Amino acid sequence: AQSVTQLGSHVSVSEGALVLLRCNYSSSVPPYLFWYVQYPNQGLQLLLKYTSAATLVKGINGFEAEFKKSETSFHLTKPSAHMSDAAEYFCAVSEVGYSTLTFGKGTMLLVSP
Amino acid sequence: DAMVIQNPRYQVTQFGKPVTLSCSQTLNHNVMYWYQQKSSQAPKLLFHYYDKDFNNEADTPDNFQSRRPNTSFCFLDIRSPGLGDAAMYLCATSRGLGEETQYFGPGTRLLVL
Repeated sequence: AQSVTQLGSHVSVSEGALVLLRCNYSSSVPPYLFWYVQYPNQGLQLLLKYTSAATLVKGINGFEAEFKKSETSFHLTKPSAHMSDAAEYFCAVSEVGYSTLTFGKGTMLLVSP
Repeated sequence: DAMVIQNPRYQVTQFGKPVTLSCSQTLNHNVMYWYQQKSSQAPKLLFHYYDKDFNNEADTPDNFQSRRPNTSFCFLDIRSPGLGDAAMYLCATSRGLGEETQYFGPGTRLLVL
């Protein structure tokens, strides 16, 4: 069964600092991988996704993630944090084929001035 | 430009009084999902429709039912809400399963008194 683990329920950074949110997956074959962002009292919005093409995926708002099969990881990064990046971030996995999403527990990103 | 619409945004009901949440989409997507999200937790899939085919998650309580009368609309019925059902309910749509992006509505926050 597929699963995803997000290390750290909260990550705090200063404005302008590097953002790194960690995600590791467990799946029998390399799956599809997603990062979604959720602002308070809103639905989720797709940041980026990996679907077995390029391993380095660029998304919206300056975020990117790299699929590393050897490490079973799909960490999310952004070179310079903005205050507006403060939100909850969910990593999700879907098995190749016809499958629904399994979400990680989420990481709350806090950005201080 | 609204794509996935959920009404109402906030719903208050009484313990044991049936309640219906609604979702509509303008994307003409085949798949519609209902998720339950409790505070500081990941979204939990309750069920999804692929066209008219209903797919219930194994651990979704019988108290939760769904209807999809046409492509555009989907309803979540909670037959006898308990205090533990207070949560944010998210509707999402996608063209298909697997690698397809899910588009989320803003959610309905349910309060049970």
